[in-house]
Amino acid sequence: GENVEQHPSTLSVQEGDSAVIKCTYSDSASNYFPWYKQELGKGPQLIIDIRSNVGEKKDQRIAVTLNKTAKHFSLHITETQPEDSAVYFCAPKDSSYKLIFGSGTRLLVRP
Amino acid sequence: NAGVTQTPKFQVLKTGQSMTLQCAQDMNHNSMYWYRQDPGMGLRLIYYSASEGTTDKGEVPNGYNVSRLNKREFSLRLESAAPSQTSVYFCASSESGRTTNEKLFFGSGTQLSVL
Repeated sequence: GENVEQHPSTLSVQEGDSAVIKCTYSDSASNYFPWYKQELGKGPQLIIDIRSNVGEKKDQRIAVTLNKTAKHFSLHITETQPEDSAVYFCAPKDSSYKLIFGSGTRLLVRP
Repeated sequence: NAGVTQTPKFQVLKTGQSMTLQCAQDMNHNSMYWYRQDPGMGLRLIYYSASEGTTDKGEVPNGYNVSRLNKREFSLRLESAAPSQTSVYFCASSESGRTTNEKLFFGSGTQLSVL
């Protein structure tokens, strides 16, 4: 089955700086790569996703990049704001159409 | 539009007790899921239902049963709760579950403690 690793587990940045979270996966048949954001006391919410036929996707301050050869994809957040503080999960979709969640990255944006 | 609604939000059980977690969605989605979230382990799939009338095991099904009551509702039952089942439980739904880039919609979770 799919093995997913996410790094770092915690990340602290100054407001306005950039944050990068990396996710590696093992299933070469995976072809969908979403990132979810979980705020305290809430369920995860999709913030950006990418399909395997695209190398990069941007949505305002967030972007996702994919390297299928190396089997990793990354979440990039620029100009971080305090409201970006949350736990972020990668969740590549395996060959049986199920999302396999990484262990999460706790991002703290210091004002 | 409520989305995915889970009840209860909090529950404390004694070892050996049983309970059912309820989940309902109002988005006319075909697929529904139950996940558990433990510290440092992300979300792990317990059971899912690709469509009304079908259920399948996920990564960690032992100690749980599910019922897809109708298209809207998907319940998770703990027949004899154990301390290892202390966790936060999330229900989720998606439009079909069989397409590649499909968004999951999550409820707000049930925090369960088994003493």
